[in-house]
Amino acid sequence: DQQVKQNSPSLSVQEGRISILNCDYTNSMFDYFLWYKKYPAEGPTFLISISSIKDKNEDGRFTVFLNKSAKHLSLHIVPSQPGDSAVYFCAASAGIQGAQKLVFGQGTRLTINP
Amino acid sequence: DSGVTQTPKHLITATGQRVTLRCSPRSGDLSVYWYQQSLDQGLQFLIQYYNGEERAKGNILERFSAQQFPDLHSELNLSSLELGDSALYFCASSSRIGHEQYFGPGTRLTVT
Repeated sequence: DQQVKQNSPSLSVQEGRISILNCDYTNSMFDYFLWYKKYPAEGPTFLISISSIKDKNEDGRFTVFLNKSAKHLSLHIVPSQPGDSAVYFCAASAGIQGAQKLVFGQGTRLTINP
Repeated sequence: DSGVTQTPKHLITATGQRVTLRCSPRSGDLSVYWYQQSLDQGLQFLIQYYNGEERAKGNILERFSAQQFPDLHSELNLSSLELGDSALYFCASSSRIGHEQYFGPGTRLTVT
């Protein structure tokens, strides 16, 4: 049962343009959502998160949008840079603070072309 | 650098053997989480410890066990290893307050 889905295994974007990565979830109990970036041979790196009480969170070039009614979230990267090329994982959690497991999507490989 | 350390970085062993993976959380973090990433799957939650006590369990096999010690470091023990246990094993930690989990560099386990 895949509770968090990233339907695009890969995405290719030109440098300077906007990258949009999508994620869908099925469990309405999820109350916190996160995006991680992963380079080969490294652990996932936390990028940005959003609580279910918000619909948008922005941090520099990264913005996460949450549409609760559609159970959908997206990560926008503007402008895209070559160093953004990595695998991006969407994750969701439910539970009390300090006692949460993360449920991850399968990941989307983002390639930024010069 | 997330501040989470994991050892060893690579481990090669034979089927039927037992291994121990070690994790030290970020300074001040009380929660430690273990995840498995197999070749054909995403990151799967295994188990969480909070201040020495087991707090949550995922799809962790009975052959696997973990513990968190008084100094807050954690160990994941994998026994009777099978070829299918070959994977990347990640440890993460979080503060009591935050939702964000910070991941270590992982241990790549190869079972031959």
